[in-house]
Amino acid sequence: EAGVAQSPRYKIIEKRQSVAFWCNPISGHATLYWYQQILGQGPKLLIQFQNNGVVDDSQLPKDRFSAERLKGVDSTLKIQPAKLEDSAVYLCASRDQGAGAPLHFGNGTRLTVT
Amino acid sequence: DQQVKQNSPSLSVQEGRISILNCDYTNSMFDYFLWYKKYPAEGPTFLISISSIKDKNEDGRFTVFLNKSAKHLSLHIVPSQPGDSAVYFCAASGLNNNDMRFGAGTRLTVKP
Repeated sequence: EAGVAQSPRYKIIEKRQSVAFWCNPISGHATLYWYQQILGQGPKLLIQFQNNGVVDDSQLPKDRFSAERLKGVDSTLKIQPAKLEDSAVYLCASRDQGAGAPLHFGNGTRLTVT
Repeated sequence: DQQVKQNSPSLSVQEGRISILNCDYTNSMFDYFLWYKKYPAEGPTFLISISSIKDKNEDGRFTVFLNKSAKHLSLHIVPSQPGDSAVYFCAASGLNNNDMRFGAGTRLTVKP
């Protein structure tokens, strides 16, 4: 099966600019996650979707971050305006149904804000 | 709020020996514990998991042990191989995998 697809792989922007990341989950996976991984830390959940509805966005900085999953398939994560501390790898993951089913991650987008 | 902790940032072992990676958690409501492996420039990949109703799960060279009273789990790799060199993340979640929490990771180096 094809894995989770993410683009772009790398992005460099200046602070206060905007950026968008795209994710296409594994076919049939209803649950989609966006994680932020800062260097030296573990992934931190930003938002979780079940189909096209938001399950958990409690850790999403909503003043600058937004995400959508129209039609319950692919998803975009946007940052506007970016800050220096947003430099991180942004990981998308999807999961099949079933208790304890593991997350499948894409290769991530490495964002550098200068 | 660090509900999942991996206190060893790095571990180095000789090829053929056992690698033991440790993880502690604080939330007794976690139902599933997972280990992920990450190579540079790739996303984490699932390795092995254990339900909170078990104390051991084995898959080939990989075994995960869970000690609920101590809120501690460990991953054993026997025998270790150079290809096992990667960053290993411990993760924990509730029943519906909502808000899966990750540790900071342990970088394992297996020397030939």
